[in-house]
Parts: sequence; C-alpha cells; structure tokens
Amino acid sequence: QKEVEQNSGPLSVPEGAIASLNCTYSDRGSQSFFWYRQYSGKSPELIMFIYSNGDKEDGRFTAQLNKASQYVSLLIRDSQPSDSATYLCAVKRPQKLVFGQGTRLTINP
Amino acid sequence: ETGVTQTPRHLVMGMTNKKSLKCEQHLGHNAMYWYKQSAKKPLELMFVYSLEERVENNSVPSRFSPECPNSSHLFLHLHTLQPEDSALYLCASSQDLDPTGYGYTFGSGTRLTVV
Repeated sequence: QKEVEQNSGPLSVPEGAIASLNCTYSDRGSQSFFWYRQYSGKSPELIMFIYSNGDKEDGRFTAQLNKASQYVSLLIRDSQPSDSATYLCAVKRPQKLVFGQGTRLTINP
Repeated sequence: ETGVTQTPRHLVMGMTNKKSLKCEQHLGHNAMYWYKQSAKKPLELMFVYSLEERVENNSVPSRFSPECPNSSHLFLHLHTLQPEDSALYLCASSQDLDPTGYGYTFGSGTRLTVV
C-alpha cells in the first residue's frame, strides 16, 4: 500500500464548477497535510496546509481533513482555466514530506 | 535573488560524464532536500540535510553524491548515470525538519536527460 494515494486523473471540470481532488494516506499517526499545485514544466507551489479535522478555507480553495477515514481533499470553487495543473497531496512524516503522484486537473472553458 | 534557485535548468549528459547540480536558498532555512520527479510517479525523496548534516539517504545509488557545504547551498554530483535517471530533479528547503504551515519551498528544478 502506498503511503499517499491520489487518482492520477486526468480530471476534467467545466469552468465555473467545483473541482474535487482526493487523497488518502496509510499512516494513521499522520498529523499535517499539504496541497501543492504544479503547472506543467514548473516546480510545486504550496497552496494549502491543514492539520485539524474539518474544513479550512482560503479564497476559492477549501481543504477538508478526516483523520478517522484517513483522507484529505481539496475543493476548488468557481474553477478557472488557470487552475489547470497537477495537484500534489503531501503528508508530513518524520524529517520529510511524502507526496502522492498527483492528480492532473483540466478546467474546460 | 530570492527563494530557491537551481542551476542549470536543463542538462543533457552522456552516461560516462560527470556533472553537478546546484541549489541555493536565500530564505535562511536550515533544512534542504533533493527530490526526483519522474513521469507518472510520486516525488521521490533522495537526500535530506539539516544544518549541513545529512539526516536521510533514501537508498539512492552511489552514482548520485550530495554535498552541503553550508546551510544555503546544496549540490548533487552525478557520474556514470543511466538513461532511467532522466527526470526532473527538484531542490527544496524548509525552516527546519519539522515544517508546519509553510511546508517546503521548491526550486524550479533541473531537467536532466541522460543519453
């Protein structure tokens, strides 16, 4: 079982809709979780951090964490073509972040 | 210069060559990392340095040799690579080994092609 699993996609969402990205993790003791966005040919950039159960909102982005079910999700409201990218989920482990393989998201105008 | 800078951006090398990748961070961070990113695979952690001391080596082949002369600079020395080593090599830094809300800051990466 992979430590961090994401559906690689591609996930296609119409412009203006809600994009929902999911991530599951295997270590029940994990405490902190990150979402990174990576545009094609670019480096990952941090967009959300969450460590408490429930929702965390930042603009059009909402991260949701459910430790009992061991999943963390990212919702993007009012999706824009500029949101088209690969989204990486990362889980904090001792001395490192462990990443999922990423979900490629395409927003269709 | 701000953030994390990697050079070169692109590198093509033969299997018998020796080359080095350079990473420099201007954030005052204490921890630095090398990750390998191959197509359709998760980011693979290669090396972790904290205050110039290597704290993790993830079973990386000896043809990859890291060097951290100070807390701002990190190198990855390459020799006798294989075609399967072709990938994007990403350097990252964090305030310390226990990144909280700020996570890692990544450099732009070096796209390596081994021919």
